[in-house]
Amino acid sequence: DAGITQSPRYKITETGRQVTLMCHQTWSHSYMFWYRQDLGHGLRLIYYSAAADITDKGEVPDGYVVSRSKTENFPLTLESATRSQTSVYFCASSGSHPASGQPQHFGDGTRLSIL
Amino acid sequence: GESVGLHLPTLSVQEGDNSIINCAYSNSASDYFIWYKQESGKGPQFIIDIRSNMDKRQGQRVTVLLNKTVKHLSLQIAATQPGDSAVYFCAENIAPPSGSARQLTFGSGTQLTVLP
Repeated sequence: DAGITQSPRYKITETGRQVTLMCHQTWSHSYMFWYRQDLGHGLRLIYYSAAADITDKGEVPDGYVVSRSKTENFPLTLESATRSQTSVYFCASSGSHPASGQPQHFGDGTRLSIL
Repeated sequence: GESVGLHLPTLSVQEGDNSIINCAYSNSASDYFIWYKQESGKGPQFIIDIRSNMDKRQGQRVTVLLNKTVKHLSLQIAATQPGDSAVYFCAENIAPPSGSARQLTFGSGTQLTVLP
């Protein structure tokens, strides 16, 4: 079935380790987004991409790296994980920017714990 | 009601009753708003959206009302069902200065519990 999938669903790692969260969508959507969700905060945008090879920072980009070599994939890498990056991470995609009237479709998230 | 804060507001309603979930937004330049539903262990799911040139928009069992004067958004769910139990949150999109990219700003959400 078409959709947006994230992997892994759960991940435990240690501070200082590199970890990559994967996101794959089958709609050929142009836009893809990475958010983190923490208790007491709404979803906060980390990075987004308007098309392959085009990425831009969101509200909280520090400590994260993204790439978009293919339209369907948008991996998020924590180069040296810190405890403050313990969170639930959501990937989303849309055919155009959200304000144009096309909603974002979200994956089911990756719950990341950094010890 | 809902606003960005340290606690998650809660709303409990009887099955079959109507629910009203509120959202206060902060930026008068916001011109597009979205309501999302998030069930436990799932990603947010689009419910309905509204542009700032509208006051009301209806979907299937849901209605969104926008009051720009007081910067308030509400989601009304008719005949609430057990499957409606979830966290609901609004998102606003601000028209940025020229050359800047648009971004969505999300509220922290309201937990809706439907009682049998």
